[in-house]
Amino acid sequence: DAGVIQSPRHEVTEMGQEVTLRCKPISGHNSLFWYRQTMMRGLELLIYFNNNVPIDDSGMPEDRFSAKMPNASFSTLKIQPSEPRDSAVYFCASSSSAGGSTDTQYFGPGTRLTVL
Amino acid sequence: DAKTTQPPSMDCAEGRAANLPCNHSTISGNEYVYWYRQIHSQGPQYIIHGLKNNETNEMASLIITEDRKSSTLILPHATLRDTAVYYCIVRDYNFNKFYFGSGTKLNVKP
Repeated sequence: DAGVIQSPRHEVTEMGQEVTLRCKPISGHNSLFWYRQTMMRGLELLIYFNNNVPIDDSGMPEDRFSAKMPNASFSTLKIQPSEPRDSAVYFCASSSSAGGSTDTQYFGPGTRLTVL
Repeated sequence: DAKTTQPPSMDCAEGRAANLPCNHSTISGNEYVYWYRQIHSQGPQYIIHGLKNNETNEMASLIITEDRKSSTLILPHATLRDTAVYYCIVRDYNFNKFYFGSGTKLNVKP
């Protein structure tokens, strides 16, 4: 299995530009999670999907952030417009949620975003 | 909000056992204890999890106290490659959310 795949691995953009981060979960997994990691705030859960439906987006910082999961094998996290304080490493994780007993999350390599 | 307390850092000699403690005094009966580690800037890596019984796999052992208010992750023979930040996480059975705290930075020294 290839694991969780994220692209791009690095993104440098200018303030005000739109940024789209992509994630392919592990085949067969039905839950997908987006996290953000910064030195100041550590690893934070932004949003998670179950069976392609957003379940909890309480961690999404503001309306500039949006996430979609059009099918079981693809998700995007979009920031529009981007700001320097959005600079962070963004991780995607997936799990096989069979009712909540042992939903181990497997993480991708992350996308390092720098907004100038 | 993180529900666990871990020491910020620990040192361990290469080849010796590393014992990483975690306090989760407010844990409830349906919450699991998970351990992950993060090596440099890589994605967090799953290590082990448990509910009330001790667990062992090829990577580590997890010892949970009888009252479940604390646990210890044991790496039996630490290597330099085990240098990482180790996160102890309490996960609610009914909610598919992990809260990552600050973790413990384990430094394995030759």
